[in-house]
Amino acid sequence: AQSVTQPDIHITVSEGASLELRCNYSYGATPYLFWYVQSPGQGLQLLLKYFSGDTLVQGIKGFEAEFKRSQSSFNLRKPSVHWSDAAEYFCAVGAMDTGRRALTFGSGTRLQVQP
Amino acid sequence: EAGVTQFPSHSVIEKGQTVTLRCDPISGHDNLYWYRRVMGKEIKFLLHFVKESKQDESGMPNNRFLAERTGGTYSTLKVQPAELEDSGVYFCASSQVGGTEAFFGQGTRLTVV
Repeated sequence: AQSVTQPDIHITVSEGASLELRCNYSYGATPYLFWYVQSPGQGLQLLLKYFSGDTLVQGIKGFEAEFKRSQSSFNLRKPSVHWSDAAEYFCAVGAMDTGRRALTFGSGTRLQVQP
Repeated sequence: EAGVTQFPSHSVIEKGQTVTLRCDPISGHDNLYWYRRVMGKEIKFLLHFVKESKQDESGMPNNRFLAERTGGTYSTLKVQPAELEDSGVYFCASSQVGGTEAFFGQGTRLTVV
């Protein structure tokens, strides 16, 4: 069975500082990996996804993530955080190749941005 | 184009009552999913429809939960009778057949008191 771990429940960074949110997954085959963001009062929005190919993936809002198979990680990064990035971030793994298209999510990391 | 829409956005009910949540997927999306997040924990899969058929309902917690998708359009998730532990945020998502991205609604926050 697949699983996702987001070890940081809550992170606070200053505006303009760099950001890295950690995600570790467990899955027997090549995973399909996603990062979603939920801003207050909003639904989950897809930031980026990795299926295959280049292990550094670019997403929306200036985010990127790097797939590292040896570490079973898919960490999310942003070089300079904006106050509007304050939200909750979810890493998810999918097993599209098995036909079971449901996603397995981590418990989320809440990001607070200080002025 | 309208996104995934969920009704209501909030619901507060007493233990033992019945609640029905509704999800309107993006038009043309045959895949429809229900997820639930309880008390700040991870978002957990409940079930997956392809059109009107239940493709995977392995995440449904018990028989107090009933999901339907008549006609393959909107879906409802009924909880009867509701228990305290059913409180949480219920998300709906939809995707195209063969699509790689699931689009989520804003969620329904259910509070059972």
